Amino acid sequence: QVQLVQSGSELKKPGASVKVSCKASGYIFTNYAMNWLRQAPGQGLEWMGWVNTNNGNPTYAQGFTGRFVFSLDTSVSTAYLQISSLKAEDTAVYYCAREDMVPGNWGQGTLVTVSS
Amino acid sequence: DIQMTQSPSSLSASIGDRVTITCRSSQSISSYLNWYQQKPGRAPKLLIYAASGLQSGVPSRFSGSGSGTDFTLTINSLQPEDFATYYCQQSHSYPRTFGGGTYVESK
Repeated sequence: QVQLVQSGSELKKPGASVKVSCKASGYIFTNYAMNWLRQAPGQGLEWMGWVNTNNGNPTYAQGFTGRFVFSLDTSVSTAYLQISSLKAEDTAVYYCAREDMVPGNWGQGTLVTVSS
Repeated sequence: DIQMTQSPSSLSASIGDRVTITCRSSQSISSYLNWYQQKPGRAPKLLIYAASGLQSGVPSRFSGSGSGTDFTLTINSLQPEDFATYYCQQSHSYPRTFGGGTYVESK
């Protein structure tokens, strides 16, 4: 069955970087694009963008350019989200989700906490 | 960008009630509308895709309808496990956008 397993919670200081992983299994990784989403504490869902798993080409939503980088390692069917120069307002749960006509496959979420 | 407006933002209901949540898009999205349920500390769970398609494993008391700009999620006979937050999302175009959510709480 399709599974997206994300890396564990992270506690980082302002200005640091973090890299969240999303390991896919149960399907051919390069057949489906991967979305990244953010949910700040007590807030709704924000779509951050997506990455083409065939060529690695990322597309970023407005507000997620510059410090946010989507990358892949297709040899291990894993997508990554890296955030640099972390700010307190980056504190959120980050989700990966497979792009699909039936978009039901999400990772379990990774909590990134930015605090001094 | 397509704006998604959900209403109400919260509602109180009792077990057995019929609950209706609406979602309106700022422009036509045909039937490219999905509904998710989210419980605290959990990832969103897909309930309805393409406006009215019931995701595998989701109870039949959940149903979706609508096309164009106006959509509805209906829960027939609310069950204890249905208290949660519900989101609509358009998959018509990028950027993907979500409604603000509807919190369904126990009356």
